[in-house]
Amino acid sequence: DAKTTQPNSMESNEEEPVHLPCNHSTISGTDYIHWYRQLPSQGPEYVIHGLTSNVNNRMASLAIAEDRKSSTLILHRATLRDAAVYYCILAEDSGGSNYKLTFGKGTLLTVNP
Amino acid sequence: DTAVSQTPKYLVTQMGNDKSIKCEQNLGHDTMYWYKQDSKKFLKIMFSYNNKELIINETVPNRFSPKSPDKAHLNLHINSLELGDSAVYFCASSQVGGEDTQYFGPGTRLTVL
Repeated sequence: DAKTTQPNSMESNEEEPVHLPCNHSTISGTDYIHWYRQLPSQGPEYVIHGLTSNVNNRMASLAIAEDRKSSTLILHRATLRDAAVYYCILAEDSGGSNYKLTFGKGTLLTVNP
Repeated sequence: DTAVSQTPKYLVTQMGNDKSIKCEQNLGHDTMYWYKQDSKKFLKIMFSYNNKELIINETVPNRFSPKSPDKAHLNLHINSLELGDSAVYFCASSQVGGEDTQYFGPGTRLTVL
């Protein structure tokens, strides 16, 4: 079962920032926090990941709480193309440096023009 | 060039038939995966192979048999198809490690009648 909790849905306006929260209170020291998104009728797409420190890339920023029990994905300026289901996932060590992603229900982000 | 490709994109078949879905990645990754996304949109890992060796095998009926002829290919063979096998199946690949991004294919929509 997924070890993350996210709101079922969120709504945003175009060009505004979006903060997508995620709780992962049972995270272990070796679990990475990954975010993926799935656009309609497509496969999941990597967004960002981190372990302890905040991370930035061209798509988004990831803010990780100091105790690592929660994180927030930040889209700085939402566009209509950002409308998707966003998954917060703990990458769990399954041995031999192999990691398993367990997807939850995700957050359906709607972006209004 | 497509990084992770799957064939076919759509597959409609009768109950009891045997079918295969093919997956190829041209990213030079060591690890490949099969996921199943059911009608409720839950995405669950089924199998993971690292350099042709099975490393993750979730609770999947033994009617499902993954086959990896080389590290660029991971095919999924399904025997005696059942109605409940109807879903979208995604292939993915990554390098080894929790920091590594998984790249997903476009999915194969399987419909069992």
